[in-house]
Amino acid sequence: GQSLEQPSEVTAVEGAIVQINCTYQTSGFYGLSWYQQHDGGAPTFLSYNALDGLEETGRFSSFLSRSDSYGYLLLQELQMKDSASYFCAVRDRGSNYQLIWGAGTKLIIKP
Amino acid sequence: EAQVTQNPRYLITVTGKKLTVTCSQNMNHEYMSWYRQDPGLGLRQIYYSMNVEVTDKGDVPEGYKVSRKEKRNFPLILESPSPNQTSLYFCASSSIVGTGTDTQYFGPGTRLTVL
Repeated sequence: GQSLEQPSEVTAVEGAIVQINCTYQTSGFYGLSWYQQHDGGAPTFLSYNALDGLEETGRFSSFLSRSDSYGYLLLQELQMKDSASYFCAVRDRGSNYQLIWGAGTKLIIKP
Repeated sequence: EAQVTQNPRYLITVTGKKLTVTCSQNMNHEYMSWYRQDPGLGLRQIYYSMNVEVTDKGDVPEGYKVSRKEKRNFPLILESPSPNQTSLYFCASSSIVGTGTDTQYFGPGTRLTVL
């Protein structure tokens, strides 16, 4: 079957670095995406990895290891505005390219 | 401006009264989908569509219908709403896979309450 696992909650301090992990199980992995959602808002796209390695976009980076069925989102120089929920999502070739979502990680940032 | 629009944004209705939530995108995207979001359950896909006249069930399709007669529109229909369909609904669109990215563009959400 298909499944994604990510921690339900992570707490960090303003200015620090935090890593949110995502492990997945699919029948035909195509790519891993990350989304941010603030309370009451819509999810917004952060990054996408189709190949192994690190993708960097400003303070945010995303990593993928297809052999380990694992990826992570790295947030640096944390700011209070980064307090949000973060979702990983995997495109599954084996399910007609359906997008499979993790349950989300709530990031709590303390001053 | 590239966007996904949903209407209505808020709706309170009663059990059994048919309703439609509209979704429209102006980016010529092939892929569109509907999600519901409930506290602690993340995003659950209801239906998705790879292109006009092509729709597939997601993880929680019971009690919902969709249609894709035009590329830009993907309405969600609740024929006989029940209280367990009270939720926050999102429509999303993206270009087809194989374009080097996989950016889902989400609408602002529709908060539905069924009494």
